[in-house]
Amino acid sequence: ETGVTQTPRHLVMGMTNKKSLKCEQHLGHNAMYWYKQSAKKPLELMFVYNFKEQTENNSVPSRFSPECPNSSHLFLHLHTLQPEDSALYLCASSPLGLTSGGLSTEETQYFGPGTRLLVL
Amino acid sequence: AQKVTQAQTEISVVEKEDVTLDCVYETRDTTYYLFWYKQPPSGELVFLIRRNSFDEQNEISGRYSWNFQKSTSSFNFTITASQVVDSAVYFCALTLPAQGGSEKLVFGKGTKLTVNP
Repeated sequence: ETGVTQTPRHLVMGMTNKKSLKCEQHLGHNAMYWYKQSAKKPLELMFVYNFKEQTENNSVPSRFSPECPNSSHLFLHLHTLQPEDSALYLCASSPLGLTSGGLSTEETQYFGPGTRLLVL
Repeated sequence: AQKVTQAQTEISVVEKEDVTLDCVYETRDTTYYLFWYKQPPSGELVFLIRRNSFDEQNEISGRYSWNFQKSTSSFNFTITASQVVDSAVYFCALTLPAQGGSEKLVFGKGTKLTVNP
């Protein structure tokens, strides 16, 4: 399998449930990202991980808890969500410091297909 | 503050027409990168192009072309001879440097393009 994959593709959960979103990248990248895409807002960055370390938290509520056990996997743990958290959650990865012929590769982000979340 | 504006919310054209999607950006940085992504109904954001702030050459890739003009802070995207498969939401984005060397993307709100047969 290639590229960036996300599971599940669709998720319906109640406000008291706990669930996790999974992202896996097969590109050998070192940076991974979570974005939220709501119906009426632009895509918003949530978290950034570089070499498994969280480097950005864009003021995300604590009911969203990311985890990055290695450079290929990224999770988003969800608990006690609100209906307004319903959105498409997109994962992305980028090379970060990978070199080819002595030159740094460009930090283009490649996205997964997203998990469409509905909170009831 | 960094910002990306895509003033066209929705555009509808007939197949084989040319269509231009507008993108205007704001940044105080002298070094930045601009992107276009395509989001078909399946949801995945597909990377189309990355352009750095020092390269104002226009780019052409098949039916796609991009016009980058720093004087007007614009990075417009033209599809020539549009096809039904071009129907998607198109996002323009600007990078911000992030800690640790990665980059944060600031997206516009997107332009929904519908190409009718």
